[in-house]
Amino acid sequence: SQTIHQWPATLVQPVGSPLSLECTVEGTSNPNLYWYRQAAGRGLQLLFYSVGIGQISSEVPQNLSASRPQDRQFILSSKKLLLSDSGFYLCAWSVRIRDTQYFGPGTRLTVL
Amino acid sequence: AQKVTQAQTEISVVEKEDVTLDCVYETRDTTYYLFWYKQPPSGELVFLIRRNSFDEQNEISGRYSWNFQKSTSSFNFTITASQVVDSAVYFCALSEANQAGTALIFGKGTTLSVSS
Repeated sequence: SQTIHQWPATLVQPVGSPLSLECTVEGTSNPNLYWYRQAAGRGLQLLFYSVGIGQISSEVPQNLSASRPQDRQFILSSKKLLLSDSGFYLCAWSVRIRDTQYFGPGTRLTVL
Repeated sequence: AQKVTQAQTEISVVEKEDVTLDCVYETRDTTYYLFWYKQPPSGELVFLIRRNSFDEQNEISGRYSWNFQKSTSSFNFTITASQVVDSAVYFCALSEANQAGTALIFGKGTTLSVSS
């Protein structure tokens, strides 16, 4: 069966520091991968998605970037964090575009 | 443009009560997909159901049931005999077959609190 992992689970970072969040999927090949952010008390916003290695699409201009160095690995990064980057970051995968998306456990990021 | 509205921000019930979570969607596509996800306090989104626009049959899974009505653009979710473990935020989402990109359009969620 397929499993999706995210780490770290919780992160507290100062403003201006770099960020690297990792997401890996097991049990499937060539998944579509997604990064979402959920700000406190708000809905989910799609940040990036990837249909293959090295292929990244950005949905919203951000202080963030994403990379997919391996088939089942998706990384969310920032060179300098802003206060507004605080939130709950969720990684998801699907077999095909517009298929059901399955979500990871999330990373709670607090920028101080 | 596509949109999902969950008008109920918060609902509080007592255990064993039935509760219905409303979801109204807007789309210009004839082919689309509707979803419900549950987000317990741990934060992970748990997939509950996916329904395509050509299948209007209601679905029942244990205490959960879903009522899809294209005529009113609604996809409501009912929990029968609610339990404390049902306490969570519930999201309805829409995906269109012909939309550019790949986003699931989420509603803002309904927070359900079930007390014992």
